[in-house]
Amino acid sequence: NAGVTQTPKFRILKIGQSMTLQCTQDMNHNYMYWYRQDPGMGLKLIYYSVGAGITDKGEVPNGYNVSRSTTEDFPLRLELAAPSQTSVYFCASSYSSLVGYSPLHFGNGTRLTVT
Amino acid sequence: QKEVEQNSGPLSVPEGAIASLNCTYSDRVSQSFFWYRQYSGKSPELIMSIYSNGDKEDGRFTAQLNKASQYVSLLIRDSQPSDSATYLCAAYAGGTSYGKLTFGQGTILTVHP
Repeated sequence: NAGVTQTPKFRILKIGQSMTLQCTQDMNHNYMYWYRQDPGMGLKLIYYSVGAGITDKGEVPNGYNVSRSTTEDFPLRLELAAPSQTSVYFCASSYSSLVGYSPLHFGNGTRLTVT
Repeated sequence: QKEVEQNSGPLSVPEGAIASLNCTYSDRVSQSFFWYRQYSGKSPELIMSIYSNGDKEDGRFTAQLNKASQYVSLLIRDSQPSDSATYLCAAYAGGTSYGKLTFGQGTILTVHP
């Protein structure tokens, strides 16, 4: 059981380049999230999705785009990379629950450097 | 703006001591709270959750919640070097939050032999 899988693990981009961070989950979770974590900081929500075809902005969406065409996949697109996007990116998923809270399942992260 | 605040530390304790980690939150509608442990270079892992005022114990870990004071804490008894990590406090507002968590900046804990 793979859980949440992120690719690539590491990437170096030049300023102005674009790339897509891939995220896939095999737990049939309907909720998926993208967080970024800067050094010494907590996680900031970039975008989230509550199901296929439905996405919404989080706290720090500028410079990013997402799509959710299937339940399993939630790619994050960086257009015109900037040094401020140097960070570790975590994808996470959970299932919706009418009672209580469903814990987040995190991927292993993608470490991105923009130079 | 919803905020979760932690003392970033680092907090250094000797092996066998009690480590006390603290967290405050600004959004009064927050209903559930979580402590995640994150080893260097790894993803966060959930270690404790607490939903009601009072204490919740799980092995060497005790989470404490005081909603009136908007305060959450995590106690680690008999601290071990393997507990050295960053501890993230997170709050969940429930309702239409769609599972979204607000994280604090994390407290770095070092347990020295």
